[in-house]
Formats: sequence, structure tokens, C-alpha cells
Amino acid sequence: KAGVTQTPRYLIKTRGQQVTLSCSPISGHRSVSWYQQTPGQGLQFLFEYFSETQRNKGNFPGRFSGRQFSNSRSEMNVSTLELGDSALYLCASRGQGGHYEQYFGPGTRLTVT
Amino acid sequence: KQEVTQIPAALSVPEGENLVLNCSFTDSAIYNLQWFRQDPGKGLTSLLLIQSSQREQTSGRLNASLDKSSGRSTLYIAASQPGDSATYLCAVNTDKLIFGTGTRLQVFP
Repeated sequence: KAGVTQTPRYLIKTRGQQVTLSCSPISGHRSVSWYQQTPGQGLQFLFEYFSETQRNKGNFPGRFSGRQFSNSRSEMNVSTLELGDSALYLCASRGQGGHYEQYFGPGTRLTVT
Repeated sequence: KQEVTQIPAALSVPEGENLVLNCSFTDSAIYNLQWFRQDPGKGLTSLLLIQSSQREQTSGRLNASLDKSSGRSTLYIAASQPGDSATYLCAVNTDKLIFGTGTRLQVFP
């Protein structure tokens, strides 16, 4: 069974630009969550999508948004990039239910210059 | 507000030692707790998942325990190897994963 995949793996953007990251969950998983990892703040929850609906949202500004498609693939968008958005962005998928194990992808390393 | 703490922050040991990594959390209302491993610049690899109703889980040389009432979990690594060198993260699952800051482990030959 293929794992969680994320594209692209690396991105370099300029302040003020926007970026879209993609995540394909494990086949059969309908829940996709996004996390931001920085040296200063560690791993922080961005949002979770389930069956194309945002189910939960972390404490991030509205510049961070996401969506999920009918095939469970998810995209995350960050508009008006700031230097502080430089981070490793990880997505995770799990089966239905809060008690299921979460599986993470390899991440997208975003650098904002 | 749920807070997760991991002790120690870093650990350096010779090969062959048995290790204990600690994780504590402030709110016992959790679905489960997961231990992850992260190699530098990489994603997270799930090591063990303990449901809130369980006390212990084992996988190979790894054993994780959970004491929900005291808000503690430990990850025991038996007979450590250089390949175990990585950052180990615990995360409690409420309606999202809340992570500790990790323990950076180095096992030297």
C-alpha cells in the first residue's frame, strides 16, 4: 500500500507570493491533516479535512487555507507569504474515527526569501 | 489547554544501552498517544500507537506505556543501535495531534 505522498518536496518563494502544496493520502483514508514544523514552534496543527469538509482548524491566520477533493487528495494554500512561513509542512492521513493511527508524508520544505 | 512535554531534550548514549524517553501531558481526555521518529529533514515515522484504554504497546525493541491518570507515557528502547539516532516525538490525540518538543537521541558505536 502506497504511503502518504506530498508534492513538491522543496519550494523557494519570495515574500508576498502565494504557494500551493499538495497531499495524497493513503488509499482508503478520508481524513487529511496539515501540520507546520519550525525550529521555534515545533509541530503545530493547521487544519483537518474529512470528506471534503474542514473539520478542525488550528490557530493560524486566514492566509493559510486548504481544501479537499472528492478523491481525498488535499491542497494547502498560503497567500501573501512572509519570512516566518518558512517551514516544513507535513500532511497526515488516517482512517475514519479519532482513535485511528495517523500516517505522515515526507513533507514539503518551504523557504521564503 | 493541552500541553505536552518531553524529557530529556537530548540524549547521547553508547550502543547497547537500554533507554527510557519520557512524555507528559496535562489533560487526560485523549483518544490515544502516538510515538514518532523523525530523521533530520524528513517526515514522521509512526512507531507505536497506544489507545487511551491501553497500558502498553510493544514493537520489536520498542515498548511504550501509558498512564492516562498521571498524564505520562514512556518509550523504552532496548539494546540501542546507531541506527536509532533520530528525534523522538510523542503526540496526544484529542481532535488533533498535539506534539511534544521531542528528544534528540544519538547512539554512538
